[in-house]
Amino acid sequence: GAVVSQHPSRVICKSGTSVKIECRSLDFQATTMFWYRQFPKQSLMLMATSNEGSKATYEQGVEKDKFLINHASLTLSTLTVTSAHPEDSSFYICSARGGGGADTQYFGPGTRLTVL
Amino acid sequence: AQKVTQAQTEISVVEKEDVTLDCVYETRDTTYYLFWYKQPPSGELVFLIRRNSFDEQNEISGRYSWNFQKSTSSFNFTITASQVVDSAVYFCALARGSTLGRLYFGRGTQLTVWP
Repeated sequence: GAVVSQHPSRVICKSGTSVKIECRSLDFQATTMFWYRQFPKQSLMLMATSNEGSKATYEQGVEKDKFLINHASLTLSTLTVTSAHPEDSSFYICSARGGGGADTQYFGPGTRLTVL
Repeated sequence: AQKVTQAQTEISVVEKEDVTLDCVYETRDTTYYLFWYKQPPSGELVFLIRRNSFDEQNEISGRYSWNFQKSTSSFNFTITASQVVDSAVYFCALARGSTLGRLYFGRGTQLTVWP
């Protein structure tokens, strides 16, 4: 299957700092990428849909100014958690659509964010 | 509205037992896609299968098999002769045919296979 990478895999930061997470499709071009958040023992919650060259579409209840998404190229989308607080601690997962069939999403390995 | 229900929160079996994970979905769309993903303890979601709404053929891949029944809106997943490495959280998901990509996930089923 298609490969999606995420960086970093783990990050610990102090409250008030900003954290950037990168999501890359390694062997295919992804016009659409998705960002999910997952709390322990819960399902994935879609945060936003990221389309290359246009503004991201955020799900209801997700703060646009808090979670900045940039999809600058067909292989890279970034999520920046601005002024992070402990309640932002979570597992963030990206996915990219494309590669082995445009109707299949391939997921990155996830980034575990801990805000102290 | 789209909805995916995985009623089984946790299942425990002993190695070599067969186990079926249930998935029931709701959608008014005639074209849609159903998926199963595996999430091992490492956290990465592994794609297992995709079915479209027009293909009700059951599928078998090694020890894995899937039973898609539109009449009951179900897309169940069976693991035959389970192994310890099958221990993971399994998610069933649905995507609308009109807006491919946005996945609606079930809450997941934690499968534990004991040696």
